[in-house]
Amino acid sequence: SAVISQKPSRDICQRGTSLTIQCQVDSQVTMMFWYRQQPGQSLTLIATANQGSEATYESGFVIDKFPISRPNLTFSTLTVSNMSPEDSSIYLCSVVGQPYGYTFGSGTRLTVV
Amino acid sequence: ILNVEQSPQSLHVQEGDSTNFTCSFPSSNFYALHWYRWETAKSPEALFVMTLNGDEKKKGRISATLNTKEGYSYLYIKGSQPEDSATYLCAFNTDKLIFGTGTRLQVFP
Repeated sequence: SAVISQKPSRDICQRGTSLTIQCQVDSQVTMMFWYRQQPGQSLTLIATANQGSEATYESGFVIDKFPISRPNLTFSTLTVSNMSPEDSSIYLCSVVGQPYGYTFGSGTRLTVV
Repeated sequence: ILNVEQSPQSLHVQEGDSTNFTCSFPSSNFYALHWYRWETAKSPEALFVMTLNGDEKKKGRISATLNTKEGYSYLYIKGSQPEDSATYLCAFNTDKLIFGTGTRLQVFP
């Protein structure tokens, strides 16, 4: 199944700044998914990124706050903009896995101070 | 709003004990139920994808059952080992994955 390299693994950021998270997949995939897990909460889908089109955002998430790029079939970035302490979370990217389930990156643990 | 509940939230067991956790999900519009194992600082690892009512799946010492009519799935670990320590997530698959909050398992030697 696909292998995903996600960077950075962790970061501590000042409020008001932005952080860009990268995911590189070792094979071409149509859809990539971005998730967030806030402390004590479930993994929640932020958006689905298709190559060559605008990402589709879930209710409660907006492009201005979480802009996504998908320049080709193996790479995507998620930016967390104008960060506040409430953005402190684990962020994960994911693709449909083989032979079953979804394959995830190892996550980015973000702390906003 | 679709809700996926997992219980217990956390569990501490001795090495060699067998344990089980529960995932509850909506019984309507069922497509699939996923189980994942998530160790700290690692990627969530797919354990099972279950689609049929009455399904039972097994991977080594870990097994899972599915009841789609009543909306629950059980995950069993036989003879827990310290390396089983992780968070176990279930996810209800509609047009996207809806995750529970997970069961955090700690196995003490």
